[in-house]
Amino acid sequence: EPEVTQTPSHQVTQMGQEVILRCVPISNHLYFYWYRQILGQKVEFLVSFYNNEISEKSEIFDDQFSVERPDGSNFTLKIRSTKLEDSAMYFCASGTSGRSSYEQYFGPGTRLTVT
Amino acid sequence: DAKTTQPPSMDCAEGRAANLPCNHSTISGNEYVYWYRQIHSQGPQYIIHGLKNNETNEMASLIITEDRKSSTLILPHATLRDTAVYYCIVGYGNKLVFGAGTILRVKS
Repeated sequence: EPEVTQTPSHQVTQMGQEVILRCVPISNHLYFYWYRQILGQKVEFLVSFYNNEISEKSEIFDDQFSVERPDGSNFTLKIRSTKLEDSAMYFCASGTSGRSSYEQYFGPGTRLTVT
Repeated sequence: DAKTTQPPSMDCAEGRAANLPCNHSTISGNEYVYWYRQIHSQGPQYIIHGLKNNETNEMASLIITEDRKSSTLILPHATLRDTAVYYCIVGYGNKLVFGAGTILRVKS
């Protein structure tokens, strides 16, 4: 069964450093998403991406964040200058539909720890 | 997107049906009801969705009231592996807004 994969599973970085989280969505999916979950808190939407551009983003997704689909398979989330409060589990998801997106398939997540 | 209300936790005996309620009294006509679950710290997993009619798939059944103001997710024969946080999400669009969900504990 196809699945979303994410690398690395755990990333430790120092405050102020740049990190890139990588995701390989399911191959025939066209809609891509990033969510995050701070330990003990709710899953929060960050950004959705379709047709090589951002279709929606949350207030969390400020200028420090960017997304890219550099090739036909990868989908990346970059945080330019990490802060302590960026420590969280980051989930990538993909889906086949956009406006009425019934099903999003999530990856296992990358745990980001900023020290 | 409409707000949902779910009980914070529920227990269920293994092998019995688990019935998880959700209130969404402000749902609008074009908004769907989605159910996801999150096992421990894994990524959320899609379970089922519906608009007006009841739906069933290999994982669960979704019962939506006629006025669409509430719904119930039914796991017909709960197993220990169904212990998870279950999220009821209402919306129309590609942004899933997760609440706190219901912690379902399946006990042997």
